[in-house]
Amino acid sequence: DAGVIQSPRHEVTEMGQEVTLRCKPISGHNSLFWYRQTMMRGLELLIYFNNNVPIDDSGMPEDRFSAKMPNASFSTLKIQPSEPRDSAVYFCASRLGADSYEQYFGPGTRLTVT
Amino acid sequence: RKEVEQDPGPFNVPEGATVAFNCTYSNSASQSFFWYRQDCRKEPKLLMSVYSSGNEDGRFTAQLNRASQYISLLIRDSKLSDSATYLCAVNLRNKLTFGTGTQLKVEL
Repeated sequence: DAGVIQSPRHEVTEMGQEVTLRCKPISGHNSLFWYRQTMMRGLELLIYFNNNVPIDDSGMPEDRFSAKMPNASFSTLKIQPSEPRDSAVYFCASRLGADSYEQYFGPGTRLTVT
Repeated sequence: RKEVEQDPGPFNVPEGATVAFNCTYSNSASQSFFWYRQDCRKEPKLLMSVYSSGNEDGRFTAQLNRASQYISLLIRDSKLSDSATYLCAVNLRNKLTFGTGTQLKVEL
């Protein structure tokens, strides 16, 4: 079975550019989570969706970050404009449903903003 | 106080040793608990869920102490391949909060 799929795996961009990260959750999973991981701050939850609806975006750092989930099999995280401090690994994770709390992570996107 | 705290390590142990990690959490309403393993430059992978009664999976044993608000992970007969960072995760209101991880290095 396919796990969580993320693209691109690596992204190098210049400050001020728009960055779009993509995620396909495990088929049948109803919840999707976006995380950011840095050495300084560890793994932080940015936003999560249940049944394609954003439930909690309190972790989104600022208005430059936005996330969408137009259908059950696709989500995007967009940064516009990007800044060097956004450099991190961005993980997407999915979860089966409300009664199952185990989350399964994608391979991540390593973002470098120069 | 951080919501979830772990000793960052590293724990350097010889192959075959037994090693234990603890993870403390601050919110007594936390509902469920997990251990994840993360290899260098890889994603976290679910290692074990932690149940109230404790649970064991081969060489790995996880325990929960609600009174003292900590969970533990015990690795017996450690292997070189166990070298990784071990993250604990605490579920509260459908969100997981992760510790910063404990690094384990198993040496010959």
